[in-house]
Amino acid sequence: DAGVTQSPTHLIKTRGQQVTLRCSPKSGHDTVSWYQQALGQGPQFIFQYYEEEERQRGNFPDRFSGHQFPNYSSELNVNALLLGDSALYLCASSSLGADYGYTFGSGTRLTVV
Amino acid sequence: GQQLNQSPQSMFIQEGEDVSMNCTSSSIFNTWLWYKQEPGEGPVLLIALYKAGELTSNGRLTAQFGITRKDSFLNISASIPSDVGIYFCAGQESNTGKLIFGQGTTLQVKP
Repeated sequence: DAGVTQSPTHLIKTRGQQVTLRCSPKSGHDTVSWYQQALGQGPQFIFQYYEEEERQRGNFPDRFSGHQFPNYSSELNVNALLLGDSALYLCASSSLGADYGYTFGSGTRLTVV
Repeated sequence: GQQLNQSPQSMFIQEGEDVSMNCTSSSIFNTWLWYKQEPGEGPVLLIALYKAGELTSNGRLTAQFGITRKDSFLNISASIPSDVGIYFCAGQESNTGKLIFGQGTTLQVKP
């Protein structure tokens, strides 16, 4: 049973560019959340998607947007990249209403130069 | 962004020693979670706590949900080299389900 799959694993972009990260949730999960983890810090909540809609959003600018597809997979888009966007981006899937049970992917390491 | 206060920031211990780390918050949580993250991987759930005062074990790991619902601790007994990693506490918001993480405790174990 595959867990959460993220692609790509590593990415290098230039300031001002745009990036798209992808996530396939664990089988049976319908909710996808995205987290940003800066070096030496804990993950920070970006937003959560359920039924193809954004349900919750953390304290991130509108440059960060997302999408969820009918098969529950999700994309995270970041526009006008800044050096400070360099981080590990984690996708976590769960079943809505479950007590806990976020399963995290291994993340995409984004470096902005 | 909001974070929990986790301490200590790092620990370097001898194999076989016991380890204790804790987490405090200014907000109340109804669920506390403890995760472990190894290099190149995402966080993996170790223990979930749902009730104030609850004490839960998972092998050599024991965690407690504080009575005030604003704190939690994690103990690791008889540490082994594979315990090396970064340990994160997380509180789960009841209304949104989102996780608020601590800054992490980096554990190194000397054989």
